[in-house]
Amino acid sequence: NAGVTQTPKFRILKIGQSMTLQCTQDMNHNYMYWYRQDPGMGLKLIYYSVGAGITDKGEVPNGYNVSRSTTEDFPLRLELAAPSQTSVYFCASRTGLATTGELFFGEGSRLTVL
Amino acid sequence: AQSVTQLDSQVPVFEEAPVELRCNYSSSVSVYLFWYVQYPNQGLQLLLKYLSGSTLVKGINGFEAEFNKSQTSFHLRKPSVHISDTAEYFCAKAAGNKLTFGGGTRVLVKP
Repeated sequence: NAGVTQTPKFRILKIGQSMTLQCTQDMNHNYMYWYRQDPGMGLKLIYYSVGAGITDKGEVPNGYNVSRSTTEDFPLRLELAAPSQTSVYFCASRTGLATTGELFFGEGSRLTVL
Repeated sequence: AQSVTQLDSQVPVFEEAPVELRCNYSSSVSVYLFWYVQYPNQGLQLLLKYLSGSTLVKGINGFEAEFNKSQTSFHLRKPSVHISDTAEYFCAKAAGNKLTFGGGTRVLVKP
């Protein structure tokens, strides 16, 4: 069972470079999320989507962009990478049946900006 | 305002001893609370959740949590830990379409 798949698992970027973190889920979930995890800070929501064509900002959206053209895919784009974007990024999804649905997480993408 | 607060950033515990991880949340009309676990180099997995009903919630791997509305707490407990319980634990609260996480508690089980 694939679940939520993130690529790449590791990446090193130079300041000012751009890149896209890919996220795909095969559970036909409507809701998808991008979080970043920093030591001692828990997970902070970057962007989320409630369905194809619909996205919204979370707590920390600055420096990121997303799109949701299909139910399965929710890529996160970093424009002009900065050292403050060094973090571990997690994609997650859940059904849209209720607020109470379990989140299913990918294994994370570790990004370092030098 | 911080919606979920985990009071301990690290909890060292000996194998077979009990452990309690503390979580407090900001009060709201509807309260849906979760505990997730993150093993090293992995994503998060659901341990248990409180939606309504009984205030004592049982989860996987012998964990349980108690919802206390008057104290706005949702503490996680396990009566006897194993080495394999070494992980980071996150308390979370659902609000609308989003889940807000606490800062995490790192549990280190020592032999």
